[in-house]
Amino acid sequence: QVQLQESGPGLVKPSETLSLTCSVSGGSISDYYWNWIRQPPGKGLEWIGYIDYSGSTNYNPSLKSRVSMSVDTSKTQFSLKLSSVTAADTAVYYCARGRATYNYGDYVWYFDYWGQGTLVTVSS
Amino acid sequence: QSVLTQPPSASGTPGQRVTISCSGSSSNIGSNTVNWYQQLPGTAPKLLIYSNNQRPSGVPDRFSGSKSGTSASLAISGLQSEDEADYYCAAWDDSLNGRGVFGTGTKVTVL
Repeated sequence: QVQLQESGPGLVKPSETLSLTCSVSGGSISDYYWNWIRQPPGKGLEWIGYIDYSGSTNYNPSLKSRVSMSVDTSKTQFSLKLSSVTAADTAVYYCARGRATYNYGDYVWYFDYWGQGTLVTVSS
Repeated sequence: QSVLTQPPSASGTPGQRVTISCSGSSSNIGSNTVNWYQQLPGTAPKLLIYSNNQRPSGVPDRFSGSKSGTSASLAISGLQSEDEADYYCAAWDDSLNGRGVFGTGTKVTVL
């Protein structure tokens, strides 16, 4: 059974960099897209971006200037860095495994396994 | 921020059928498949439907999905108390070099 677990500081000061790691167990890190998704308290879901096992990335354009992701295949971990944080970045951050294929020309893209999420608060 | 539009709430009594809509555009739902996620209170989202109408193993067949043009729907038949949750649609959007987009979310209440 695939499991994902987020880890990192729960409190980050404004203007600093948020850093989180997602540890993957029970499955290979190859052949999938590894995603970060966040949810501000009481609000909806926002896709942050993904990284694949080779290190190729795709970031949400709204966050692209501040986001960086990396992958460590030997440790089956992947990481998120979000710079210059403000209170608006306070959210529960989830990591999730992404799958992608094509079905009669339509792009099939979904998250089949999620971590439990970790709350990151931006405050001085 | 959300690109896909859902009604904020839906409700029904046990045993009833509830339907949730998800409206998008040609760059997302119109050209890619739709997924649905269920988020029970205080927990991470869970994949409910993928590729418009496919259920992962373990998801009851009370849940069904459909897509037509730039809109999609999730139907819950035989509503149960444990179905009370937030539901989100999602799809890939081909604009801006490609990005994942979610719906605004719908809170389902079992009366």
